[in-house]
Amino acid sequence: EPEVTQTPSHQVTQMGQEVILRCVPISNHLYFYWYRQILGQKVEFLVSFYNNEISEKSEIFDDQFSVERPDGSNFTLKIRSTKLEDSAMYFCASDPNTEAFFGQGTRLTVV
Amino acid sequence: AQTVTQSQPEMSVQEAETVTLSCTYDTSESDYYLFWYKQPPSRQMILVIRQEAYKQQNATENRFSVNFQKAAKSFSLKISDSQLGDAAMYFCAYRSARGAVWNTGTASKLTFGTGTRLQVTL
Repeated sequence: EPEVTQTPSHQVTQMGQEVILRCVPISNHLYFYWYRQILGQKVEFLVSFYNNEISEKSEIFDDQFSVERPDGSNFTLKIRSTKLEDSAMYFCASDPNTEAFFGQGTRLTVV
Repeated sequence: AQTVTQSQPEMSVQEAETVTLSCTYDTSESDYYLFWYKQPPSRQMILVIRQEAYKQQNATENRFSVNFQKAAKSFSLKISDSQLGDAAMYFCAYRSARGAVWNTGTASKLTFGTGTRLQVTL
């Protein structure tokens, strides 16, 4: 069964460093998303992506964040200069237009 | 903006018993989807069940069923014959059908509740 794959599963980075979280969505899905979950809190929407451009972004998704689909398969989330409060679980999801299929998440720890 | 409320931070159920998790939501839209996701300790988000708002019939998936009350904006999850493996966080989520129904190309995000932690005891 096709699945959404995220790498790495866990990343530790120093404050101020750039990180790139990678996702391989399910092929032929149309919509792609990034969500964030700070430990013990609810899952929050960051950004949605359709037709090679951002469809919607939340207030969390400021200038420090960017998304790309560089080669038509991978879908990446970049955080330019990480802060301690960026520590969270980051989920990628892809959607054929009916429901979201989530990856297993990347746990980002900023120290 | 849509909101999703889960008023039960924690619930407990004995193995083989039935438990109901509550969820209410607020929206001005008439077409939407509702979901329950399970998040075990591994923290992966697993879809449990989905309900289309235009369907009056409540969705069921094996031991999982929902009680969808559109007028009351209520969407509860019933787990029958609870098993130890059901212990997890359960999130209720809302999604506009805007992108799906009219295929406008607008990706519809999920709005999540704060979750209910379900414990299953022997």
